[in-house]
Amino acid sequence: NAGVTQTPKFQVLKTGQSMTLQCAQDMNHNSMYWYRQDPGMGLRLIYYSASEGTTDKGEVPNGYNVSRLNKREFSLRLESAAPSQTSVYFCASSGTTLGEQFFGPGTRLTVL
Amino acid sequence: KQEVTQIPAALSVPEGENLVLNCSFTDSAIYNLQWFRQDPGKGLTSLLLIQSSQREQTSGRLNASLDKSSGRSTLYIAASQPGDSATYLCAVEDYGGSQGNLIFGKGTKLSVKP
Repeated sequence: NAGVTQTPKFQVLKTGQSMTLQCAQDMNHNSMYWYRQDPGMGLRLIYYSASEGTTDKGEVPNGYNVSRLNKREFSLRLESAAPSQTSVYFCASSGTTLGEQFFGPGTRLTVL
Repeated sequence: KQEVTQIPAALSVPEGENLVLNCSFTDSAIYNLQWFRQDPGKGLTSLLLIQSSQREQTSGRLNASLDKSSGRSTLYIAASQPGDSATYLCAVEDYGGSQGNLIFGKGTKLSVKP
């Protein structure tokens, strides 16, 4: 099992460009999450999806949109990238009643 | 609003030492507490999850305890090894936030010297 995979690993954008971060899990988990990690701020939840077909905002959703394409895949879209969105983005999934979350390797995004 | 604090921010120990990492949280209404390890430039690896009804969990040389009433958790690492060098993150899932929203501490950066 690959667990949680993310693409791309690295990305550089110019202000105003758009892009989609991809995430997939092969653990048959119902819930999936997008976090961002910033120095001095720790990890913060952007959006989550409790099940296929549902999405909800987390702590810092502004500037982002998400799509739960199917049970395996959960994508994060930046419509008009801003320098403040320079961060490391992590996707996670959980599938048990215990709530244990499993994380992907991350996408390092720089917005110039 | 739930806040999670980890002390110390950094710790350096010689190989073979037993050590304790601390995590405190401000609101005791939590579903669970999870400890993670993060290597430089990598993702998070789940180490242990303690449900709110549990007092401790063990995995190999790791033991995590939870005292919900005092808002504290500790991660005990026995016989530390250079391979244990990493940043350790504590996170709580509480009743007040979005489902599955983990509130993270800023981590303790551990360095184990050979």
